[in-house]
Amino acid sequence: DSGVTQTPKHLITATGQRVTLRCSPRSGDLSVYWYQQSLDQGLQFLIQYYNGEERAKGNILERFSAQQFPDLHSELNLSSLELGDSALYFCASGDLANEQFFGPGTRLTVL
Amino acid sequence: AQTVTQSQPEMSVQEAETVTLSCTYDTSENNYYLFWYKQPPSRQMILVIRQEAYKQQNATENRFSVNFQKAAKSFSLKISDSQLGDTAMYFCAFMKTSGTYKYIFGTGTRLKVLA
Repeated sequence: DSGVTQTPKHLITATGQRVTLRCSPRSGDLSVYWYQQSLDQGLQFLIQYYNGEERAKGNILERFSAQQFPDLHSELNLSSLELGDSALYFCASGDLANEQFFGPGTRLTVL
Repeated sequence: AQTVTQSQPEMSVQEAETVTLSCTYDTSENNYYLFWYKQPPSRQMILVIRQEAYKQQNATENRFSVNFQKAAKSFSLKISDSQLGDTAMYFCAFMKTSGTYKYIFGTGTRLKVLA
């Protein structure tokens, strides 16, 4: 158990809808990272937050947004969903000088 | 910009044998970390081993060890006495210690351990 929690575990929705994925980092970690992993693909970095502020942005679509709250949990919002958004979404946490610890992921299926 | 290359998309090994997964990277940084992550069929990402660039000694964790060649920018993972539970996707990752986003992942090597 990495100490990082993600909810929900699975999410099935329809095209055009909006969903929110939630992540709680390990106790003491200030950084949260979001990744997308499509079927049999590597990890695509989406966005990083550090202590409530956006720190770095990767290949995140404009339809996607994220935020980190004062209690350090983070949410990833995906809107106007398309079939191609179906993927496993990972959250990871860590401090700035250490490795990342990954949550179990949220599997999103867009029908 | 940093890059991480895993040139072996798929590999297989017999149970109890030894296998080596390759990883090369490119960076102008002098201080950084390297990692191997394992992703079994459950899709959980699990840290296998880490190596600090300033350490010459290769990291070892039980049956897992690395061959870190800093000058050659090579970071291979050796799995000894392979077990069926080692069947997974393995990702090599680079982390720089300065600047903004720090982590670069390779595309992964799918390892299958055969009974």
